[in-house]
Amino acid sequence: DTAVSQTPKYLVTQMGNDKSIKCEQNLGHDTMYWYKQDSKKFLKIMFSYNNKELIINETVPNRFSPKSPDKAHLNLHINSLELGDSAVYFCASSQVTGGLVATQYFGPGTRLTVL
Amino acid sequence: QKEVEQNSGPLSVPEGAIASLNCTYSDRGSQSFFWYRQYSGKSPELIMFIYSNGDKEDGRFTAQLNKASQYVSLLIRDSQPSDSATYLCAVPNNAGNMLTFGGGTRLMVKP
Repeated sequence: DTAVSQTPKYLVTQMGNDKSIKCEQNLGHDTMYWYKQDSKKFLKIMFSYNNKELIINETVPNRFSPKSPDKAHLNLHINSLELGDSAVYFCASSQVTGGLVATQYFGPGTRLTVL
Repeated sequence: QKEVEQNSGPLSVPEGAIASLNCTYSDRGSQSFFWYRQYSGKSPELIMFIYSNGDKEDGRFTAQLNKASQYVSLLIRDSQPSDSATYLCAVPNNAGNMLTFGGGTRLMVKP
């Protein structure tokens, strides 16, 4: 069974378009994340949601809008795509209870290419 | 803002040797540390988690933590070509709901 899944796996689109990436986890975790991994392989947190509430927004442009309809899903919508948005986007989840450190489990990633 | 530093490599070792991967961190208050492995084109997967000074062993992997020197390392004994990957060090924030990753070290194990 897939623990953290993302769709689509690949996304190729033109500059200026709007696109969405979906993420679902079946681990029962209370916290979900979006990470961006650029061409130099640097993995950087974008957003973190705990029980559908945004708790971390790491200075991401307003063109990126996450939405969490329930604690098992976290979607990412990107408006007016730019060349610099080309990257691999990873969704992750963890169970964070009482501030304890928790392992994050990653989805397979979505490779976004903006032409 | 926490900073996590790793040598980008590549670190090349012969099969059967010990690979030593290093990570330094800036926040002296950091309590715990993760090592993730990422194969090319794949997602990061957890290898080790350590929060106490000293060594933690799991099979061929040993994590070493020295909080006084703000240094955490990962040793891979009897390295295999299948260990060739990028190894990422990560440090959580105090709330445990965010990881700051180092840039990763690319390991190449040559047969």
